Amino acid sequence: RKEVEQDPGPFNVPEGATVAFNCTYSNSASQSFFWYRQDCRKEPKLLMSVYSSGNEDGRFTAQLNRASQYISLLIRDSKLSDSATYLCVVSNFGNEKLTFGTGTRLTIIP
Amino acid sequence: GAVVSQHPSRVICKSGTSVKIECRSLDFQATTMFWYRQFPKKSLMLMATSNEGSKATYEQGVEKDKFLINHASLTLSTLTVTSAHPEDSSFYICSARRGASDETIYFGEGSWLTVV
Repeated sequence: RKEVEQDPGPFNVPEGATVAFNCTYSNSASQSFFWYRQDCRKEPKLLMSVYSSGNEDGRFTAQLNRASQYISLLIRDSKLSDSATYLCVVSNFGNEKLTFGTGTRLTIIP
Repeated sequence: GAVVSQHPSRVICKSGTSVKIECRSLDFQATTMFWYRQFPKKSLMLMATSNEGSKATYEQGVEKDKFLINHASLTLSTLTVTSAHPEDSSFYICSARRGASDETIYFGEGSWLTVV
């Protein structure tokens, strides 16, 4: 079983729609969770950290369910500029090594 | 602006030659940096942990004699791909954390290696 699993997609979504991504992780000792965005042929960039209480940043909402070892990302009112690959990332406490999911490819259609 | 910088961004080399990729922390000291590799349409895979002043720690399956890592200063780590083969063609990227008070991991811009 992969340490971090994501649906690779692709997700083709019309502009303005809401889209949700899911991710599961296998290591129950994992402490830190992130969503990164990676544009084609570029480095990953941090989108947001994910906390147990859930957190929101503008159109983006992230949720963490430790009991189910499940992370989600919701994008509302999607924009063309949201087209990218979204990476679910996990690390252990105090460990700077990141474990990446395979990423979910999102394309927003005009 | 960039916090971690990599050079070169793109490099083409002939089979059998070696190529060096540099990773620099621009405004902080990084005792630890990480090197990842990403094949097309695949996720980033950790290759090794670069430790300033000591030997790198390699992940299982990564050949340490092929991927030489040197972290001679607190702001520079280098990855040298020795005797490169076409199958080494990939996107190589480094990361570092600015400090204990900043949990964000910063990535370099990445280096595209093509071995012909």
